[in-house]
Amino acid sequence: GAGVSQSPSNKVTEKGKDVELRCDPISGHTALYWYRQSLGQGLEFLIYFQGNSAPDKSGLPSDRFSAERTGGSVSTLTIQRTQQEDSAVYLCASSLVGGLAKNIQYFGAGTRLSVL
Amino acid sequence: AQTVTQSQPEMSVQEAETVTLSCTYDTSESDYYLFWYKQPPSRQMILVIRQEAYKQQNATENRFSVNFQKAAKSFSLKISDSQLGDAAMYFCAYRSATGANSKLTFGKGITLSVRP
Repeated sequence: GAGVSQSPSNKVTEKGKDVELRCDPISGHTALYWYRQSLGQGLEFLIYFQGNSAPDKSGLPSDRFSAERTGGSVSTLTIQRTQQEDSAVYLCASSLVGGLAKNIQYFGAGTRLSVL
Repeated sequence: AQTVTQSQPEMSVQEAETVTLSCTYDTSESDYYLFWYKQPPSRQMILVIRQEAYKQQNATENRFSVNFQKAAKSFSLKISDSQLGDAAMYFCAYRSATGANSKLTFGKGITLSVRP
């Protein structure tokens, strides 16, 4: 039982570089979510994975953002050609699907991304 | 689309006293879930309490309780016997009970400080 794990905890990068953020969900949780928390926009949904279904990418702000989930477990959020407005805390959450606990999302501690 | 509004950016409470955090939401759906999450400086979002919209009874978790007014679309959180450890940001969130994507829609959050 460990909780949702995210790495790195903090990431500083230069404008124009690519970054990868990792999320390791709670074992057995088939649903995985990415959110972005920024000062101006609050908490925004980015992308949702559920089992083997096609992900819901409706929250991704631009085509520079992509995410994948390998083997139904670990997920990576990739931001290409980072911009200063990408600076934010990126939060990952996971949940069960089905049963009484299906509507509870458990969050990681996030990755704070700073783009210089 | 659903929206969640937390109109108070900051609140302060004396230790051992009671404080109420306000939240309103807008939706055309009849079946949904509402949550309060706490985010301490560690950044990890922690579920405080949840409410199913179909339940008339207000949810309670120890010192935390909600006042759920479905017709008014209001969902306030009451913290009784406030403790220093309650100091954090608090987010109100909405989740649809239907549809394939169970993403959370968050309010802007409120910063709660507790005076010793």
